[in-house]
Amino acid sequence: DTGVSQDPRHKITKRGQNVTFRCDPISEHNRLYWYRQTLGQGPEFLTYFQNEAQLEKSRLLSDRFSAERPKGSFSTLEIQRTEQGDSAMYLCASSPRDRAQYFGPGTRLTVL
Amino acid sequence: RKEVEQDPGPFNVPEGATVAFNCTYSNSASQSFFWYRQDCRKEPKLLMSVYSSGNEDGRFTAQLNRASQYISLLIRDSKLSDSATYLCVVNLHSGNTGKLIFGQGTTLQVKP
Repeated sequence: DTGVSQDPRHKITKRGQNVTFRCDPISEHNRLYWYRQTLGQGPEFLTYFQNEAQLEKSRLLSDRFSAERPKGSFSTLEIQRTEQGDSAMYLCASSPRDRAQYFGPGTRLTVL
Repeated sequence: RKEVEQDPGPFNVPEGATVAFNCTYSNSASQSFFWYRQDCRKEPKLLMSVYSSGNEDGRFTAQLNRASQYISLLIRDSKLSDSATYLCVVNLHSGNTGKLIFGQGTTLQVKP
């Protein structure tokens, strides 16, 4: 399968813990996006990268959130000091320039 | 006011029915428009782009009215497999670059 992959698929953590998610985009897709989706809502944009450069960040991305794409390939999204309100599906998408965004299966985070 | 608004439904229709979904968007600077489909607990998948001239893909027809900031999706001859959530999506950039702005989705349930 050469689609977008995300790891882990599910994460349960206690409030206050740090978590890190990984996204591997489709090979040679230079753009990578992170979105968050809560139940009954559409995905909300968090941030995106073109190659290794982080070009845009949503105001949703508080200082507890950080995303990296160090070599322009895979990306990580870290949440520090998790809160119950962080419980959501975290979706990663990738695209070649000016083309459709393809989504990965997501990482479902539950903060207890 | 949400940037993209949709009637969440659910729309319950019998097989073979024609069903229409609508959405409105608030930013007149929006450049590109899409419908995504999302199955339960799965990632969103691009269904079709939406063009001002209207476009059709098999049983699916999408329309855009820029003056009214209104987007529609028509599904003819509904199949059981069409049951899903349909997400209306806009982008401030042309093509599929930059962040996507999603509506909350409209749920369709097609019954035998």
